[in-house]
Amino acid sequence: SYVLTQPPSVSVAPGQTARFTCGGDNIGSKSVHWYRQKPGQAPVLVVYDDDDRPSGVPERFSGSNSGNTATLTISRVEAGDEADYYCQVWDISSDVVFGGGTKLTVL
Amino acid sequence: QVQLVESGGGVVQPGRSLRLSCAASGFTFSNYGMHWVRQAPGKGLEWLAFISYDTINKYYTDSVKGRFTISRDNSKSTLFMQMSRLRAEDTAVYYCAKETQTGGLDMWGQGTMVIVSS
Repeated sequence: SYVLTQPPSVSVAPGQTARFTCGGDNIGSKSVHWYRQKPGQAPVLVVYDDDDRPSGVPERFSGSNSGNTATLTISRVEAGDEADYYCQVWDISSDVVFGGGTKLTVL
Repeated sequence: QVQLVESGGGVVQPGRSLRLSCAASGFTFSNYGMHWVRQAPGKGLEWLAFISYDTINKYYTDSVKGRFTISRDNSKSTLFMQMSRLRAEDTAVYYCAKETQTGGLDMWGQGTMVIVSS
């Protein structure tokens, strides 16, 4: 089965840039989607198809995907960005796969 | 308003059954595949099942195959998950979510909590 690996935590100061990695075998050949989940809330799609943003998501959110790593980048981090961030792909052998999630702490 | 609203969660004894519902509104439900995803307390997201827009294709994760059944009623814009032989490890918040064309999930419900306990 296909596995996505995310670091458990990322910490950044307000105004800095947060980067979340998502590792998977040849993930660059797949469409990667990213979700933000705040405590007690449902996940929200923040980046889809590697680097597109749904309407309403700030331009501070961007994505990239190449080789064995996909990355979500949040520029000018704000306190309100504190949340868990999950990557996700669809794989022909595993269907929908989520990474384990990364907790963002804004210092 | 585009939304998904889950219902049917609650406390159930191990070995018993439960049916979850997900009512869709604000979009043409019959045009989209739908997913169920769950999240155990303090854990990450776990995909459970998918049903295509026309009900022809259904896929399940191994941990629920043979116990859970996904279905839908397009005339009522409602998605279902019939859960049987429930176990303690099925305790979680259950979300329904709408598919995108490239395998993402672009709309989620607020979730419904299922607690399996004697």
